[in-house]
Amino acid sequence: QKEVEQNSGPLSVPEGAIASLNCTYSDRGSQSFFWYRQYSGKSPELIMFIYSNGDKEDGRFTAQLNKASQYVSLLIRDSQPSDSATYLCAVKGNTGFQKLVFGTGTRLLVSP
Amino acid sequence: NAGVTQTPKFQVLKTGQSMTLQCAQDMNHNSMYWYRQDPGMGLRLIYYSASEGTTDKGEVPNGYNVSRLNKREFSLRLESAAPSQTSVYFCASSLDRGGSNQPQHFGDGTRLSIL
Repeated sequence: QKEVEQNSGPLSVPEGAIASLNCTYSDRGSQSFFWYRQYSGKSPELIMFIYSNGDKEDGRFTAQLNKASQYVSLLIRDSQPSDSATYLCAVKGNTGFQKLVFGTGTRLLVSP
Repeated sequence: NAGVTQTPKFQVLKTGQSMTLQCAQDMNHNSMYWYRQDPGMGLRLIYYSASEGTTDKGEVPNGYNVSRLNKREFSLRLESAAPSQTSVYFCASSLDRGGSNQPQHFGDGTRLSIL
């Protein structure tokens, strides 16, 4: 079982719709959760991070965390064609020096 | 503010050649990392340096060595390149020494081909 799992996609949504990206993780002790966006041929770019259960909003982006169910999601409202990219979920534990564990990413396609 | 700078951006090597990938950050971060990214495999950690003067193996360290030259610089060396090391290499840095929740920030990557 992979430690961090994401559906590879592609997830296709029309412009203006809400895109919902999901991520599940296996380490119940995980404490920090990060979403990165990666355009084709580019490096990962941090979008949001969340530490506590519930929702965290930043502009058109909302991260949702449910530790009991071990999943974290990213909602993108009013999706734009420029949001088309691969979205990487990354998870970090809470003891000692913890490394990020990345999922393989979900490819999002937003059509005009 | 340059952030994390990697050199070179592209490189082609022959099997058996050696080379060093350079990484420097100007954010006064304590921790630095080297990843490789292959299709379908996601980002895999090669080596990391939790703080200046320390380095540790990640998930896929075989065939690589690293040096934390100072707080700013963290280099990755391939002693005898193999075709299996063809990949995109990313350097990243974060503020934390450990046990905290600081995100990692990535450089632009080095695209390496081994023939």
